[in-house]
Amino acid sequence: NAGVTQTPKFQVLKTGQSMTLQCAQDMNHEYMSWYRQDPGMGLRLIHYSVGAGITDQGEVPNGYNVSRSTTEDFPLRLLSAAPSQTSVYFCASSGSGGAYEQYFGPGTRLTVT
Amino acid sequence: GDSVTQMEGPVTLSEEAFLTINCTYTATGYPSLFWYVQYPGEGLQLLLKATKADDKGSNKGFEATYRKETTSFHLEKGSVQVSDSAVYFCALLYGGATNKLIFGTGTLLAVQP
Repeated sequence: NAGVTQTPKFQVLKTGQSMTLQCAQDMNHEYMSWYRQDPGMGLRLIHYSVGAGITDQGEVPNGYNVSRSTTEDFPLRLLSAAPSQTSVYFCASSGSGGAYEQYFGPGTRLTVT
Repeated sequence: GDSVTQMEGPVTLSEEAFLTINCTYTATGYPSLFWYVQYPGEGLQLLLKATKADDKGSNKGFEATYRKETTSFHLEKGSVQVSDSAVYFCALLYGGATNKLIFGTGTLLAVQP
């Protein structure tokens, strides 16, 4: 079991560029989510999905798109990067319902110049 | 809305000292409560959890008790080690369909030999 994997590990973008952060899990989890981590602010939920074909917005969704075509994958798209999106991004997954443990990926450190 | 408040860090302790990291929450219902730990350069890992009032979560010598009357979930360890140096996050979760976690801002713990 690889758990939750994320690529790339580091990325530098110029303002206005687009990119996709990849997230995959091999635990057959229904629930997947994206968080961003900023100093002094903890982790904030960007988007989440409760199953293939179902996504919803979290606390800070602006500037990000997601889709969930398979149970395993949950990519996060930045359509036009802005310096305010400089952050560390974590993907997480868990079983559906109840207080199931969420498993986190190792993170992607994104810098937008 | 629902929120989690943690004591600010950094917390600096000598090895074998007693650790307390305070966490209080605001919630309209009865959430589950978690402590996650993030070691340098890594993603978050679940440290312990409690799903109802008066439950005590414990793991690796760490403990926390779900106190509904004081809306608190303080993390304690009797004797810290250098290897405990990390960022600790308190979080709450409502189960059901969404499994959304709400995090505190994190507390950096530095243990000196």
